[in-house]
Amino acid sequence: DTAVSQTPKYLVTQMGNDKSIKCEQNLGHDTMYWYKQDSKKFLKIMFSYNNKELIINETVPNRFSPKSPDKAHLNLHINSLELGDSAVYFCASSQTSGGRYEQYFGPGTRLTVT
Amino acid sequence: GESVGLHLPTLSVQEGDNSIINCAYSNSASDYFIWYKQESGKGPQFIIDIRSNMDKRQGQRVTVLLNKTVKHLSLQIAATQPGDSAVYFCAEGGGSQGNLIFGKGTKLSVKP
Repeated sequence: DTAVSQTPKYLVTQMGNDKSIKCEQNLGHDTMYWYKQDSKKFLKIMFSYNNKELIINETVPNRFSPKSPDKAHLNLHINSLELGDSAVYFCASSQTSGGRYEQYFGPGTRLTVT
Repeated sequence: GESVGLHLPTLSVQEGDNSIINCAYSNSASDYFIWYKQESGKGPQFIIDIRSNMDKRQGQRVTVLLNKTVKHLSLQIAATQPGDSAVYFCAEGGGSQGNLIFGKGTKLSVKP
């Protein structure tokens, strides 16, 4: 069974559109994350979220918003897509927050904005 | 901003040789360190972790060394194989930042 899954794996869309990426984890973890990986492979955290607290990286534009229908899901919604949003987006989860536990990553979603 | 970095962005080794990937971290309050391997087209995968009360930890063919005095972390891969070719990331956590902070990756290429 896949521990952390994301859909879609590839997403090609035009500037100005709104899109969502879905993430699910079946590990029973309390905390989920979204990362953006740029063309230089740098992993930048965008959000961390557990059932109590959403922590937003202050550099993330407010066009990006995480939505969590339940503990096992953390979707990423992006409004008014821009060319610079093109990247690979990874969802991850960990037992709890605080940065002292292994994070399990999904397979990634490659977003291309044209 | 980024607090963890790698000394070598690329590393090329001969199959069968040992590989050493280095990492410097800047937050002396970090007490958890982890190495990930990312193969092409996949998400990062856990390799090994270490907590600050240790200076060495061994896994299968991998060893992580932690030197808190100079804030340095290294990953040693014994008898490197073609399947080890990937980008390797170190990350630190447990400090005031509240999350894992990833460094820049090092691309390991294994020559047959």
